Amino acid sequence: DGGITQSPKYLFRKEGQNVTLSCEQNLNHDAMYWYRQDPGQGLRLIYYSQIVNDFQKGDIAEGYSVSREKKESFPLTVTSAQKNPTAFYLCASSKQTGKSPLHFGNGTRLTVT
Amino acid sequence: DQQVKQNSPSLSVQEGRISILNCDYTNSMFDYFLWYKKYPAEGPTFLISISSIKDKNEDGRFTVFLNKSAKHLSLHIVPSQPGDSAVYFCAASGGGGSNYKLTFGKGTLLTVNP
Repeated sequence: DGGITQSPKYLFRKEGQNVTLSCEQNLNHDAMYWYRQDPGQGLRLIYYSQIVNDFQKGDIAEGYSVSREKKESFPLTVTSAQKNPTAFYLCASSKQTGKSPLHFGNGTRLTVT
Repeated sequence: DQQVKQNSPSLSVQEGRISILNCDYTNSMFDYFLWYKKYPAEGPTFLISISSIKDKNEDGRFTVFLNKSAKHLSLHIVPSQPGDSAVYFCAASGGGGSNYKLTFGKGTLLTVNP
C-alpha cells in the first residue's frame, strides 16, 4: 500500500543540537510539505516543495531547513536556531495538479531538553 | 492573523445524533476547503472536501456545506458514532498564493458518547 513514512516516531535531543526528521512517500506525489502541531494549535506550515530541487518557506520557516533531492524524500532539519523545537511534526504529500487533498504521515514527536 | 477559525474547541453529542462542526474563514481568495480527522499521536486523515463552485458535498455519513457569502462551512456527521470521537480540522487553500498550501484551523474535539 502506498503511503507516507515518518521516522522515528519519537525523537529526543539536547538543546543546541541539530536534528533531521525523515519523510518518505511512495504515492508518486510531486508536492510535499512539513507542518508543525503544538497543543491547542492548528497545523502550521514550515516548508513545502512542489517539485524536486525546489522548495518554499511556509509560515514558520525560521530555524528549519529542508532538501528535496529525490521525489520520494523530503527531510526536515531542526536547527539549534529554532527557539521552541519541541513539537509534533507532520509530513504530507499531494498531487501537483488540480485541487487534491494532502495525505499525512503519522508524525514525529520531537522533544528537546 | 488567523484566516481559518474554528470557534468551538470542543463538542459533545450522543451516539446516533447529528454532529455539526463549524468553520469560518476570512480570505475571500480561498476556493478549496477540506475537513480532516485526527486521533492523538497520529497524522490527520482526509475526510471530505468541497470546491467553491459547490455549496454541498456528501460522502456517506459526512456532508460538508459551504456558504460563500458568509465565509462559513460546516461538517455534518449523521449518525454520529463513538469511533468518530477525534479532533476535526478545517482547512482551506487558494488564498492568493500556492494552490497547494493549506491553512488550518485550530481544530474541534468531538466526543460522541455511547
